[in-house]
Amino acid sequence: QKEVEQDPGPLSVPEGAIVSLNCTYSNSAFQYFMWYRQYSRKGPELLMYTYSSGNKEDGRFTAQVDKSSKYISLFIRDSQPSDSATYLCAMVENSGYSTLTFGKGTMLLVSP
Amino acid sequence: ETGVTQTPRHLVMGMTNKKSLKCEQHLGHNAMYWYKQSAKKPLELMFVYSLEERVENNSVPSRFSPECPNSSHLFLHLHTLQPEDSALYLCASSQAGNTIYFGEGSWLTVV
Repeated sequence: QKEVEQDPGPLSVPEGAIVSLNCTYSNSAFQYFMWYRQYSRKGPELLMYTYSSGNKEDGRFTAQVDKSSKYISLFIRDSQPSDSATYLCAMVENSGYSTLTFGKGTMLLVSP
Repeated sequence: ETGVTQTPRHLVMGMTNKKSLKCEQHLGHNAMYWYKQSAKKPLELMFVYSLEERVENNSVPSRFSPECPNSSHLFLHLHTLQPEDSALYLCASSQAGNTIYFGEGSWLTVV
């Protein structure tokens, strides 16, 4: 079993839709969870950063972590064409430096 | 502008060439990383430098040779690469224990 599972998509939605992106993982020691957004031919940019279980909201984005189920989600409300990108989940145990474990990424396409 | 600058952005090299990728971070971080990103595969961690000391080397072939002369600069020296080494090479930096910030990447094509 892979350490982090993420559906590669593509996920196609109309503008204004609510988008749900998800990752599952197997390592119960992961404590920090991140979502990165990567536009085509660009480096990943940090979108959301959460610690342990719970929800975190930032504008149209909500990150949710359920450690008991080893499941994390990113919700995007009122999706826009500019949200079209690949979304990477990443997670890490508590360490002195950050050796993140990434999912493969989900490609999201938001059509006008 | 991410605070992590990579050069060159694109590189085409033959299998017998020697080239280097350069990374500079302007964020005051104390750890730097090289990642490899290939199509349909997760980001692969190659090397980690913490306080200019290499702390992780994930079974990377010796044709890839990292160098970290100070906490702001990181190089990846390339020699006798194979076509399957063609990928996006991403540099990143972090302050210990916190999340990492990526550069825009260097697209490498080996012909």
